[in-house]
Parts: sequence; C-alpha cells; structure tokens
Amino acid sequence: AQKVTQAQTEISVVEKEDVTLDCVYETRDTTYYLFWYKQPPSGELVFLIRRNSFDEQNEISGRYSWNFQKSTSSFNFTITASQVVDSAVYFCALSPWSSASKIIFGSGTRLSIRP
Amino acid sequence: EAQVTQNPRYLITVTGKKLTVTCSQNMNHEYMSWYRQDPGLGLRQIYYSMNVEVTDKGDVPEGYKVSRKEKRNFPLILESPSPNQTSLYFCATWGDRVTEAFFGQGTRLTVV
Repeated sequence: AQKVTQAQTEISVVEKEDVTLDCVYETRDTTYYLFWYKQPPSGELVFLIRRNSFDEQNEISGRYSWNFQKSTSSFNFTITASQVVDSAVYFCALSPWSSASKIIFGSGTRLSIRP
Repeated sequence: EAQVTQNPRYLITVTGKKLTVTCSQNMNHEYMSWYRQDPGLGLRQIYYSMNVEVTDKGDVPEGYKVSRKEKRNFPLILESPSPNQTSLYFCATWGDRVTEAFFGQGTRLTVV
C-alpha cells in the first residue's frame, strides 16, 4: 500500500507555543518525494517544502522545520513560536517515483493557534 | 508567471443539472489532475491525464468525466451532479515527475 497517515485531526495551542505535526508514510518505492502543504482559511493550497527520499537532512526555514526519518517512515513538521497566522489545515503528501500520475495526500491536520 | 486557473471559484447548483469546471495551465506540463477535498479525507484523486487525449481514473472517478483535447486545458464534467459531490475541487499540474505540483485556487461546489 502507498499511503500517508496524519493521525492528528486537530491541534489547538496557545500562541508562542511550539507544535509538531506528525506524518507517517508507506511506500514500496525506494525513490519518492514528500511534501507539506498549508491550506489557510481562504482555501488555496500553499506549497511549503519538498523532500526527496535520498536527502535525510533536516530542513529549517524561519520558524518552520522538518524532520525526515526514513527509519520510521516519518516526515514531521514543527512550528516554533507559533503565531495566529499559522492557523490552517496542513497536508503531508507523497509522490512515489513509480507513480508519476499522482500525489497521495494525508487527511490533514487542522491547526488552531489561540491568541 | 506559472498559473493554474480554475473557474468558477464558487458554484451552487441543483441535482441533475450538468456542469463543467474548467482548468487551464500555462506551463506546458504533461500531467493534469483533478482532486476533491472532503473533511477528514484529505485530497483524493478523481482523474488524471498524462497528455493530450490520454486520461485515466484516479481513486474516486464515479460521477465525473474529463477530457484533454488541448495540453493546457483539462475540464471536469459532472453530467448529473448529486449532493454527495458537494466538495472542494482542485486542479493540479506537474511535469514528467511530481517534483513540483501546481494547484489551482479551488472550486467550492455545492449541489442541492
């Protein structure tokens, strides 16, 4: 099976707290891409990051960081010092090399940041 | 500027009245695809096309049709919409591999 699991349906934290969104994936491919997308209340999908399966280096972009671990098939996303503008639905997604025709999405995590 | 244009953004229609959601891309990409987004289910693929006149079913194709007569356009057709097709729809496009996918702004469809 090729799938993405985001077990956290909803998370609510107070502003300035750190928060981690979990993503676990399954694929039989050795080459694949992983993505995170943000969907703000306005509804569009905003691309955040792409990772290929050969690059396990963690990535940091401002308050955002991503932890890719092939050993546990996880690609977790951490927001440090969260802000109200981070409130959105976040999707993790997988594109296996053998399946150029699709992106497989997780069910999403709704993140609410309370002032 | 890379663009995927979907129209309309919002649509309310009645059961059984045929409708078309248009999608156009300006990147000369081979692949185009339609997804629907429903609460708790994420985005699920409806149909995809890997080039002109080549289309295939995704995971939830029932009740939908597509066509790819030109490389840039990939309309989604609901011949007889039903309330269970009320959803948020996205058109997406990418090159020969999904190293970067581009999404339209979404079409929020309500079928009453």
